Amino acid sequence: GQQVMQIPQYQHVQEGEDFTTYCNSSTTLSNIQWYKQRPGGHPVFLIQLVKSGEVKKQKRLTFQFGEAKKNSSLHITATQTTDVGTYFCAGRWGAQKLVFGQGTRLTINP
Amino acid sequence: SQTIHQWPATLVQPVGSPLSLECTVEGTSNPNLYWYRQAAGRGLQLLFYSVGIGQISSEVPQNLSASRPQDRQFILSSKKLLLSDSGFYLCAWSGVAGGRTDTQYFGPGTRLTVL
Repeated sequence: GQQVMQIPQYQHVQEGEDFTTYCNSSTTLSNIQWYKQRPGGHPVFLIQLVKSGEVKKQKRLTFQFGEAKKNSSLHITATQTTDVGTYFCAGRWGAQKLVFGQGTRLTINP
Repeated sequence: SQTIHQWPATLVQPVGSPLSLECTVEGTSNPNLYWYRQAAGRGLQLLFYSVGIGQISSEVPQNLSASRPQDRQFILSSKKLLLSDSGFYLCAWSGVAGGRTDTQYFGPGTRLTVL
C-alpha cells in the first residue's frame, strides 16, 4: 500500500533553536495533513495542504507542500517548550483513506 | 459541535481476558470511524476503519475485532488478550474521504496494559 516516510524519527533541540520534519511519498499526493500529539495526549489536527507549492503559516510554524506534491515539511522557528510532542504527517492519494507517517518526536532542552 | 468519547481511559487486564473498548461520536451523522493502536513512543497503526453501520475493514490481521452496531458507535473487542496487545488505543472520526471534511478527529484514547 501507499506510505509516507517521515524523518527524522527523533529530534532534540535547545529551546530557541529551529526544528524541521520532513515527509516524502514516492507518488503524487492529493493532499497532506499535519497533526501534533502532546506527550500523553491524542493527535490534534494542525493543517491541510492541497495545492502544489503551497505554504501556510501558523505563528512560528511553517508548512510547505512540494511542487510535485510528493513531499512536505513542517518548520518551527525558535522552538518553545510548548512545542514538545510528536508531529505526524498524513497523506492521501485520491479518495483513499489517510495514511499517517511514523511521526517525529521533538524534545526540547529548556 | 462534534465530540468523540472513548472509555475507559485506562485499563489493566490479564493475559487471556476479553476486551471491549467503546467509542461514540456526537454531533455528526454517518462519520467514517477508525481504530488505531500506538505502542509506547511509536507511530499510529491503523487497525480497523468503517464507512457505515456493519461495514468494517481490517488493516492488520490479529486477535482483535471491531463492530459498528450504530451509526456513531464503534467497538473494539478481543476474546483473549495477548501481552502484545498493550498500547494506546485511539478512536477517530472523519467526514467523507477525499472531501474537505476528511480531517481526522481523535478521541482521548484508552491506555491498555496487558499483564
